[in-house]
Amino acid sequence: DAGVIQSPRHEVTEMGQEVTLRCKPISGHDYLFWYRQTMMRGLELLIYFNNNVPIDDSGMPEDRFSAKMPNASFSTLKIQPSEPRDSAVYFCASSLGGVIPYNEQFFGPGTRLTVL
Amino acid sequence: AQSVTQLDSHVSVSEGTPVLLRCNYSSSYSPSLFWYVQHPNKGLQLLLKYTSAATLVKGINGFEAEFKKSETSFHLTKPSAHMSDAAEYFCVVSDQAPSGTYKYIFGTGTRLKVLA
Repeated sequence: DAGVIQSPRHEVTEMGQEVTLRCKPISGHDYLFWYRQTMMRGLELLIYFNNNVPIDDSGMPEDRFSAKMPNASFSTLKIQPSEPRDSAVYFCASSLGGVIPYNEQFFGPGTRLTVL
Repeated sequence: AQSVTQLDSHVSVSEGTPVLLRCNYSSSYSPSLFWYVQHPNKGLQLLLKYTSAATLVKGINGFEAEFKKSETSFHLTKPSAHMSDAAEYFCVVSDQAPSGTYKYIFGTGTRLKVLA
């Protein structure tokens, strides 16, 4: 298995532009998570899905952020409009269901976003 | 409310000497606890996890951790550090709220430096 795939790996954009981050979870995993990592705030859970349905989006910082999971093999995190304070590394992770919360999450390599 | 405290933001050890990374948690329920490692510019990788079975948990690369409920601790240890262990380490608590949602709560991380 290729693991969790994220694209792009690096994104540099200007303030006000729309940014779309993409994630392909591990096949067969039914949970998908989006995290943000910054020096100041560490790792933060933004949102997670179960069977393509958003379960908890309380970590989404504001309305400029939106996430979708149109099918079991693809998810997007969109920021519109982007701001410099959104600069961070964004991780996607997936896990199997079953006896949660005991299951390991598998992380992608991350997307490093820089908003100028 | 759940929380995780990693007591040291930076730890330096000499190659071949023991490693101790400290983690304390608080949880309203019976938690699951994890240690993840993040090498530079990489995603997070699971080292080990505790899920209410044996209190001494062995992980990859010679790491182990002991769950001590009375001390609410889950410290990570390794008998002999290797240069390749230099990375950032995250302690994570996972639990399920009565509503059925669950979250990973990440510690702030401990950066391990291994000196030649």
